[in-house]
Amino acid sequence: KAGVTQTPRYLIKTRGQQVTLSCSPISGHRSVSWYQQTPGQGLQFLFEYFSETQRNKGNFPGRFSGRQFSNSRSEMNVSTLELGDSALYLCASSLAGTDNEKLFFGSGTQLSVL
Amino acid sequence: AQSVTQLGSHVSVSEGALVLLRCNYSSSVPPYLFWYVQYPNQGLQLLLKYTSAATLVKGINGFEAEFKKSETSFHLTKPSAHMRDAAEYFCAVSDTTGGFKTIFGAGTRLFVKA
Repeated sequence: KAGVTQTPRYLIKTRGQQVTLSCSPISGHRSVSWYQQTPGQGLQFLFEYFSETQRNKGNFPGRFSGRQFSNSRSEMNVSTLELGDSALYLCASSLAGTDNEKLFFGSGTQLSVL
Repeated sequence: AQSVTQLGSHVSVSEGALVLLRCNYSSSVPPYLFWYVQYPNQGLQLLLKYTSAATLVKGINGFEAEFKKSETSFHLTKPSAHMRDAAEYFCAVSDTTGGFKTIFGAGTRLFVKA
């Protein structure tokens, strides 16, 4: 069974641009969560989707958005990029997104904003 | 809301020595607790999880953790460190406030000296 796949692996953008990151969960998993990882802040929760609906959102500005498709694949978008958005963005999937399930993580997308 | 605190951002041990990584949780209800490990340039993977079935939880790679309600702790241990254990370790708790999400501690980087 294939794992969680995130594309692209690396991205370099300049301030003011926008970016879209993609995540394909493990087959059969319907919950997808996104995290931002930085050396100073650790892993910060962005949002969680289940069956195309956003069920939970972290404390990030509206520039960060996401969506989930009917095949459970998910995308996140960051508009008007700032230098502080440079981070590793991790996607994680689980079967149903319940509180005792483990998360399966992708290898992440490393975003650098210049 | 639930949260976890990891004591010590860096821990250094000699190969063959005991590994002890500390985690304290804050939760108003019985928590679901997890330990994840992240190797360089990779996503996170689950080491073990506590779901109240047993207070001593055994995980992969020889790691185990003990849930102590009286101390609100869930420390991770391994009797004998190996070079391949060098990685970053994250304690996490499920938080269902406002919807499902997993909250991660700041992480502890483990160094193993030859």
